[in-house]
Amino acid sequence: NAGVMQNPRHLVRRRGQEARLRCSPMKGHSHVYWYRQLPEEGLKFMVYLQKENIIDESGMPKERFSAEFPKEGPSILRIQQVVRGDSAAYFCASSPLGGGLYGYTFGSGTRLTVV
Amino acid sequence: DAKTTQPNSMESNEEEPVHLPCNHSTISGTDYIHWYRQLPSQGPEYVIHGLTSNVNNRMASLAIAEDRKSSTLILHRATLRDAAVYYCILRELRGGKLIFGQGTELSVKP
Repeated sequence: NAGVMQNPRHLVRRRGQEARLRCSPMKGHSHVYWYRQLPEEGLKFMVYLQKENIIDESGMPKERFSAEFPKEGPSILRIQQVVRGDSAAYFCASSPLGGGLYGYTFGSGTRLTVV
Repeated sequence: DAKTTQPNSMESNEEEPVHLPCNHSTISGTDYIHWYRQLPSQGPEYVIHGLTSNVNNRMASLAIAEDRKSSTLILHRATLRDAAVYYCILRELRGGKLIFGQGTELSVKP
């Protein structure tokens, strides 16, 4: 049973380009969460999605960032017109249900570097 | 904001038990206590969680105070691979996101 799969593991983008980060949750998990970890900082919540729905996007920057979790396929975190400050590790997690009953399973992350 | 308080760092010797404390004096009746850890350059890893009773699994034990205002993660025999940042997090029964605080950085000496 594969864990949470994130790809790519490393992504380099020039300023102004778009970055697409993919996350395939564990089999049977319908809840996906995205977190960002800036260098030498803690993990910050970005967005919580279920299939075809955004449940909580309170941590998403207002501009340039978007997320989706379509009926088929992985969840995508999209960053348009990247800037140097977007350089960070982006982690995806999944759980079978929301709420405190279950733990999250995290992926290994995508490390985005903007040059 | 995180609703838990943990020491910034702790040290342990290899093969000795480690007790990682966490205070959560404002915990509500429906909050679960979750523990995660993050090894260097890796994603967070689920360790254990509980509501009221003490919990054991293959990784660790979780001791929850009777009033639930504090808890302790117990690693029974620390290994070098247990060196990580340990996060204590409250998660609502119907909540979604986890709010990570600063955690406790555990170092293990050979």
